[in-house]
Amino acid sequence: EDQVTQSPEALRLQEGESSSLNCSYTVSGLRGLFWYRQDPGKGPEFLFTLYSAGEEKEKERLKATLTKKESFLHITAPKPEDSATYLCAVSHASGGSYIPTFGRGTSLIVHP
Amino acid sequence: GAVVSQHPSWVICKSGTSVKIECRSLDFQATTMFWYRQFPKQSLMLMATSNEGSKATYEQGVEKDKFLINHASLTLSTLTVTSAHPEDSSFYICSARAGLAQDTQYFGPGTRLTVL
Repeated sequence: EDQVTQSPEALRLQEGESSSLNCSYTVSGLRGLFWYRQDPGKGPEFLFTLYSAGEEKEKERLKATLTKKESFLHITAPKPEDSATYLCAVSHASGGSYIPTFGRGTSLIVHP
Repeated sequence: GAVVSQHPSWVICKSGTSVKIECRSLDFQATTMFWYRQFPKQSLMLMATSNEGSKATYEQGVEKDKFLINHASLTLSTLTVTSAHPEDSSFYICSARAGLAQDTQYFGPGTRLTVL
């Protein structure tokens, strides 16, 4: 059974204080690993898709990396508007379809 | 970017009534749509997966007769909560994917259902 574990559950940072969020996964036949941002009361917003170990993607202050067991979401010099819950998900092949499994998320608060 | 809409954004209904939630992909054709349920401070719980023109595949523990899913076209899926009860109150979110070659899901804004 696929498992996705995100840590920490919650993270408080000062504005400008860089840090990383972790997503550890166990999946048979990884198809892709996804990062989303979710604001309270809203649907998740797509950030990145990573397919293979060693792959990296960047968007503004965010950078996602992937190894065979985990992914990191690095946040460089965060701003208060980066406060949100960050969700990680993996998908694998299942009967011809790709079923996603989500982690519980990391709640990030950036203080000004 | 890919846009998914949901309607309504919130709904309040009386116990015993049925509620329909629509999910539309606005700028792409969604061969697969997913329906999720999310409780406060919890992660997404997958309820069902639907492919256009096919019956939905429900996750274990999700009642098919209570949560009716119809994926009638490549841009529209509906979730009907039948005979709703207070315990069905939740945040329902749909997502859409363009196809097997397109793995990324794009989420709708969610629908807050409150059953009195």
